[in-house]
Order: sequence, then structure tokens, then C-alpha cells
Amino acid sequence: AQSVTQPDIHITVSEGASLELRCNYSYGATPYLFWYVQSPGQGLQLLLKYFSGDTLVQGIKGFEAEFKRSQSSFNLRKPSVHWSDAAEYFCAVGPTSGTYKYIFGTGTRLKVLA
Amino acid sequence: NAGVMQNPRHLVRRRGQEARLRCSPMKGHSHVYWYRQLPEEGLKFMVYLQKENIIDESGMPKERFSAEFPKEGPSILRIQQVVRGDSAAYFCASSPMEGRSGNTIYFGEGSWLTVV
Repeated sequence: AQSVTQPDIHITVSEGASLELRCNYSYGATPYLFWYVQSPGQGLQLLLKYFSGDTLVQGIKGFEAEFKRSQSSFNLRKPSVHWSDAAEYFCAVGPTSGTYKYIFGTGTRLKVLA
Repeated sequence: NAGVMQNPRHLVRRRGQEARLRCSPMKGHSHVYWYRQLPEEGLKFMVYLQKENIIDESGMPKERFSAEFPKEGPSILRIQQVVRGDSAAYFCASSPMEGRSGNTIYFGEGSWLTVV
């Protein structure tokens, strides 16, 4: 069965510092992978997605993610964090043959220090 | 994600009442998903619908919960006889194509249900 693990529940970084949020997935073939961001009391906004091809994916708001098949990972990165990036970030795996479910990780809450 | 419209945004119900949540998908989208987010947890799949058809309801609780997506009008998630444990954020998402193809789903702003 598919699963998504986000090992870090909370992360705190200083404004201007680099950021990496971890995501590991469990799936036999190449999955469809997504990162979403959720601000408090809001819905989920798509940051970026990986379907195939180049393993380094660029997204909105200066985010990027790298798919590493050997590590079953799809970590989200940003070289310089802004205070407005404080939010909760969710990694997700898209549906595969026989299922329609997008499976989400439990999320990583990012706090940004001024 | 602004294209997926959910209402109400916030709903308070007493135990035993019914909660009815509505979702209008993005224009051109005919596939709707409902997810539930409990406090401090990620999103859990509930149900996937196409117009007039429930395709996958494997995430729906067996009792009190139902969903529909009629030919005309929004998708409705209905919770009968609510209990405190139903308090959560309920998110609707839509996609233009069949969910199995791995295409992107777009989320609404959510409906926050509080049961008192």
C-alpha cells in the first residue's frame, strides 16, 4: 500500500536561512508526487508536482523539490526563507492503478523567526 | 485553488444535528474528492465522485456519512447525527480528468465543522 512519511512535525528556521522539508514515500513504481502548502484556516495550495522527467522540479514561491528514487524521497527546498512562508506543508502521492486516492503525509509545520 | 468553492466555511452544530457541506468544483472539472483533516493530522481520503456516481467511498465512515454529486448543482457531504469526533476541517478537491491518471487535484478553502 502507498504511504507518505514526513518525519519532521515542526521545523523552525530563521528568515533568510535555507530550508529543506523531508518526504519519504512507499510505492513500488514511480509515483506521482506533490507538495501542498496550507496557511492557518485556509485550504491547500499546490506548490509543485512531479510526474516524470527531470527529477528536480521547480514550483511557485521559489520552492523546488528533488525526486530521488534510490531514497524514495521527494524533499522540498528553498534557498532563502521569508516570514510569509510560515505555514504547514504537506507531501502527497497521487493515485495509482486500482485506486483514486491521493495519500497525504501528516504535514510539517514551519515557523520562521525574524 | 480559489476555483473550488466550498460553503459554509464554518459550521457549528449541536450533537445529534445534521451537517451539510457543499462543494462546487472548478469550472470544467467533473471529478470531486472529499478529504477530512482532524486537528494535528494530515488529510484523510473520504470519497471520490463523478457526476451522479460514487466511484470510491472506501474512506467514508460506514454510518452517518453520505456524499452525492448530482447532475446539476454542487457536491454534498452529509453528516447525520453529528458527534464531537466529527469536528474537523472538510476539504473538497476537484480535477478535470479521471483520478487514476495522476493529474493534479485542486482544493477548496475547506469547511470547518465544530460540534458542540
